[in-house]
Amino acid sequence: KQEVTQIPAALSVPEGENLVLNCSFTDSAIYNLQWFRQDPGKGLTSLLLIQSSQREQTSGRLNASLDKSSGRSTLYIAASQPGDSATYLCAATIISSGSARQLTFGSGTQLTVLP
Amino acid sequence: DAGVIQSPRHEVTEMGQEVTLRCKPISGHNSLFWYRQTMMRGLELLIYFNNNVPIDDSGMPEDRFSAKMPNASFSTLKIQPSEPRDSAVYFCASSKTSGGPQETQYFGPGTRLLVL
Repeated sequence: KQEVTQIPAALSVPEGENLVLNCSFTDSAIYNLQWFRQDPGKGLTSLLLIQSSQREQTSGRLNASLDKSSGRSTLYIAASQPGDSATYLCAATIISSGSARQLTFGSGTQLTVLP
Repeated sequence: DAGVIQSPRHEVTEMGQEVTLRCKPISGHNSLFWYRQTMMRGLELLIYFNNNVPIDDSGMPEDRFSAKMPNASFSTLKIQPSEPRDSAVYFCASSKTSGGPQETQYFGPGTRLLVL
C-alpha cells in the first residue's frame, strides 16, 4: 500500500526567502506525482504534475522535482510571498481498476510566509 | 465551467440523523471521487466511480456510508445514522479518464460536516 509522507508539517519563513517542501513515497510504481495547494476552508488546487518519466516541472516561481528511485519529490518556491501561505499537499498517483487515477495524499505542509 | 459543485457547504446535525452530501462533477468528466479530510487521518479516498459505476469502495468506513451516482452529472454520499466521529470535510473531485499522463483531479470546495 502506497504511503506518502511530508516533512515538515509546518514551516514559517520571512517574505522573500526561497524554500523547499519535501515529500516521500514508499512505492516507486507511480503514474505521476502531483502537488496541490489548499487554502483554509477551500478545496485543493493542482499546482504541478510530474509524470513518472519526467524529472521536474516548473510553473512561475514553483519548481517540483521527482526522483522515483529514491521515492522523493520536492517543491521549491522561490522568492516567497505572503500570498503563498497555504497548506501544500503532495499526492502519488497509481492506475487502479477502471483506469482511474487513484491518488494517495500526504498529510501536507502548512506554510506561513511572514510579511 | 463552474467547476465541481458541492452542497451543502456546511452541515450541522445531531447524532443519529441521516446526512446527504451532493456533488455535481465538471461536465464531460467520467470519473468521480469522494474524499474525507480530518486532522487525524488527512485526506482519504472513500469511493470512486468511473462512468457512473462504483469501482472501488474499499475506503468507505462502514455500512453507515453509501454513495450513488445515478447519472453523469450527479452523485450523493449518504451517512445513516451519523455519528460524531463522522465530523470532517468531505470533498468531491472529478476527472476525465482519457488515458493521458496529464490527467488530474479537480476538487470541489468541500462540505464541512459537524455531527453533535
